[in-house]
Amino acid sequence: QVHLVQSGPEVRKPGASVKVSCKASGYTFINHGISWVRQAPGQGLEWVGWISGYDGRTNFARKFQDRVIMTTDTSTTTAYMELRGLRVDDTAAYYCARESPDYGSYFLDYWGQGTMVTVSS
Amino acid sequence: QPVLTQPPSASASLGASVTLTCTLSSGYSNYKVDWYQQRPGKGPQFVMRVGTGGIVKSKGDGIPDRFSVLGSGLNRYLTIKNIQEEDESDYYCGTDHVDGSNFVWVFGGGTKLTVL
Repeated sequence: QVHLVQSGPEVRKPGASVKVSCKASGYTFINHGISWVRQAPGQGLEWVGWISGYDGRTNFARKFQDRVIMTTDTSTTTAYMELRGLRVDDTAAYYCARESPDYGSYFLDYWGQGTMVTVSS
Repeated sequence: QPVLTQPPSASASLGASVTLTCTLSSGYSNYKVDWYQQRPGKGPQFVMRVGTGGIVKSKGDGIPDRFSVLGSGLNRYLTIKNIQEEDESDYYCGTDHVDGSNFVWVFGGGTKLTVL
């Protein structure tokens, strides 16, 4: 049974950084990538970026390219997302989601429970 | 990259049926779209993937047979029959798009389904 369990809520001041973890279990970690998606309060879903579970290659949405770092630890089957230079409008729930292939494209078949990141002075 | 458009709200009576629509922007009629259900206060859950030929991937865990999909032209539909109280959720559609050597994920704005 696939599970993605994320770290707990975080509160940061503007300009700080935050690192969120996503512990995967129930599948072979290196066979799937992990995408990170965020959702501001009362808003829709916004893709942040992706990391390969196999070799750590990354791909980020343009608006986050300068501020986000994604890593994995295959020994603990955990993915991490670090966002730097936090702004108040980064306040959101951050979700990790497993990607599965489908004939040249992908879909997000399992999601974590979300990590609320609050940025406030 | 494609843009996905969803009506912001929909409603249906208990036991009735409702069809939610996700519309791809022009030029992307061959794209598959994924439907996600997000119950209040919870994370999204994969429902199923749909192309112009209908369902592409098996339903997500625990998704009942009352949920079905269709695709036609630029539209991707999610139909829920015999609506239950537990179906009251936000429903998002999403797709991945290859942009040169990279790819991006895009999502629709979501439809809030109210069960009357």
